Amino acid sequence: DAGVIQSPRHEVTEMGQEVTLRCKPISGHDYLFWYRQTMMRGLELLIYFNNNVPIDDSGMPEDRFSAKMPNASFSTLKIQPSEPRDSAVYFCASSGPRAYEQYFGPGTRLTVT
Amino acid sequence: GNSVTQMEGPVTLSEEAFLTINCTYTATGYPSLFWYVQYPGEGLQLLLKATKADDKGSNKGFEATYRKETTSFHLEKGSVQVSDSAVYFCALDSGGYQKVTFGIGTKLQVIP
Repeated sequence: DAGVIQSPRHEVTEMGQEVTLRCKPISGHDYLFWYRQTMMRGLELLIYFNNNVPIDDSGMPEDRFSAKMPNASFSTLKIQPSEPRDSAVYFCASSGPRAYEQYFGPGTRLTVT
Repeated sequence: GNSVTQMEGPVTLSEEAFLTINCTYTATGYPSLFWYVQYPGEGLQLLLKATKADDKGSNKGFEATYRKETTSFHLEKGSVQVSDSAVYFCALDSGGYQKVTFGIGTKLQVIP
């Protein structure tokens, strides 16, 4: 299996622009997680899905952030409009029934100028 | 709520030195405990786990013992290598929930 795939790997954008991050989970995994990692706050869970349904989005920082999972093999995290404080590495992870065995993608490094 | 406290890093060691990274936790119920590792430029990987008190998780020469009396899960390795340089995250899963709570991570740098 190719593992969790994320794109793009790097994104540089200007403040106010829309940013869309993409994730393809491991086939057969029914949980998908979006995390954000910064030096100041460490690793934060933003939202997770089970069988394509959002279960807990309490970590989404504000309405500028939205996530979708239209099918079992694809998810997006969108930021609109983006701000410099959104600069971080965003990870997607997926798991089977045992949520602690999460498989992380390589991450998307987002820089908002 | 659940929380994980890790020692502040970075930790710098010479090759073949003994490693300890401290981790303590606060949780309701009976959590399972984990260590994840993040190599430079990569996502996190599960390193080892322990699901009940007194269990010892081990992998790649790393060990950690689930100590319920001290609410701790310290990571140890007898002889580190340069290739062990990474960020190590302690984590817990309270069961019945699908969220894993991660610590802030401890950066380890091993020098030749």
